[in-house]
Amino acid sequence: QLQLQESGPGLVKPSETLSLTCNVSGGSTRNRSYYWGWVRQAPGKGLEWIGTIYYSGATYDNPSLKSRLAISVDASKNQFSLKLTSVTAADTAVYYCARQAGSLLEWNWFDPWGQGTLVIVSS
Amino acid sequence: QSVLTQPPSVSGAPGQRVTISCTGSGSNIGTHYDVHWYRQLPGTAPKLLIYGNTNRPSGVPARFSGSKSGATASLTITGLQAEDEADYYCQSYDSSLSGWVFGGGTKLTVL
Repeated sequence: QLQLQESGPGLVKPSETLSLTCNVSGGSTRNRSYYWGWVRQAPGKGLEWIGTIYYSGATYDNPSLKSRLAISVDASKNQFSLKLTSVTAADTAVYYCARQAGSLLEWNWFDPWGQGTLVIVSS
Repeated sequence: QSVLTQPPSVSGAPGQRVTISCTGSGSNIGTHYDVHWYRQLPGTAPKLLIYGNTNRPSGVPARFSGSKSGATASLTITGLQAEDEADYYCQSYDSSLSGWVFGGGTKLTVL
């Protein structure tokens, strides 16, 4: 059974870089049938797609975050990572990683999800 | 402001049927992109409820069903149970934004 687990600092200072890793178990990031995504949820708010990566390293970024975003995959460690630079209080959220599946990329859904990790941006 | 519009809240009594709508546009639901639905219980991660407009993953009860017509998708829950009280989100792809989008979420209250 595929499981995903986010890890990283729970507190980041404004203007610094938020770094998170998603560890995948029970499956492989090398599997060509799937993509791997990040989604966040600000406190009391809805879900926002952040970005997606394929085993090849191809990435798809939310245009609103693209200039600050870097997503990478490390198949040897079976994990993928997120880096968001120049963070502000608006980046405070629960960050989820998830596997993406679907017959075609644009038809992808997110399943399963990691449990999420709260990242607070504050000095 | 979410690209996909959902009612902020819906409610129903146990045993009743409720429908949650998800309205998009010609760059997402209104075109050929599928709609997917998630349920999020308080303090937990979203869980896939419906994929590909109408399909239920293994383990999801038949009480949950999805449909799509034009630029609107719907999630219908029949035989409401207290445990259905949660937030529900729709999701699709938007070609104008070149990315995946979610609805703003609907809070279901079981009276």
